[in-house]
Amino acid sequence: KAGVTQTPRYLIKTRGQQVTLSCSPISGHRSVSWYQQTPGQGLQFLFEYFSETQRNKGNFPGRFSGRQFSNSRSEMNVSTLELGDSALYLCASRGTGGPLSYNEQFFGPGTRLTVL
Amino acid sequence: GENVEQHPSTLSVQEGDSAVIKCTYSDSASNYFPWYKQELGKRPQLIIDIRSNVGEKKDQRIAVTLNKTAKHFSLHITETQPEDSAVYFCAASIIAGTASKLTFGTGTRLQVTL
Repeated sequence: KAGVTQTPRYLIKTRGQQVTLSCSPISGHRSVSWYQQTPGQGLQFLFEYFSETQRNKGNFPGRFSGRQFSNSRSEMNVSTLELGDSALYLCASRGTGGPLSYNEQFFGPGTRLTVL
Repeated sequence: GENVEQHPSTLSVQEGDSAVIKCTYSDSASNYFPWYKQELGKRPQLIIDIRSNVGEKKDQRIAVTLNKTAKHFSLHITETQPEDSAVYFCAASIIAGTASKLTFGTGTRLQVTL
């Protein structure tokens, strides 16, 4: 099975712009979560989607939003970018069937966003 | 919400020695505790996990222990090797049906020296 993929891998934007990141989960996985990783704050949960519905949300401002499509692919959008949004954005997919494997989250390679 | 504390932030051991990383969590409802290893420039990868109905789990040189009463869990790596050098993250989660939210510790940078 192909792993979790994310596009683009690198992105440079300026303050005030908006950005959309994409995540394709492992085939058959219906849960997609997004995390922000920074040296100072570590890995922080943004939100989780399952069957096109947001199931969990972290403590991020409304500028951060996401959605999931019927094929389980997910996008994350950040509007009105700030310098502090520079980070590695990771998505992770999770299977939700079966007692042995449904918990593990498989991470993608991340999108490195730099805001200038 | 859940809060996970992880110690130490850096750990240096000699090859062959053991390494122990400790985490505490705040939400007694958390029922799933994974450990991730992240090598430089790479994605986090699950190395071992434990559920709240189990006190200990072992996989070759890696073991995890969970004390639900004290709300802490630990990662033990024995016979460390240079390839164990990486950042290790603990996490806690409440798995409820189709929903899950991982709260991560701040990470431990493990350096295994020759």
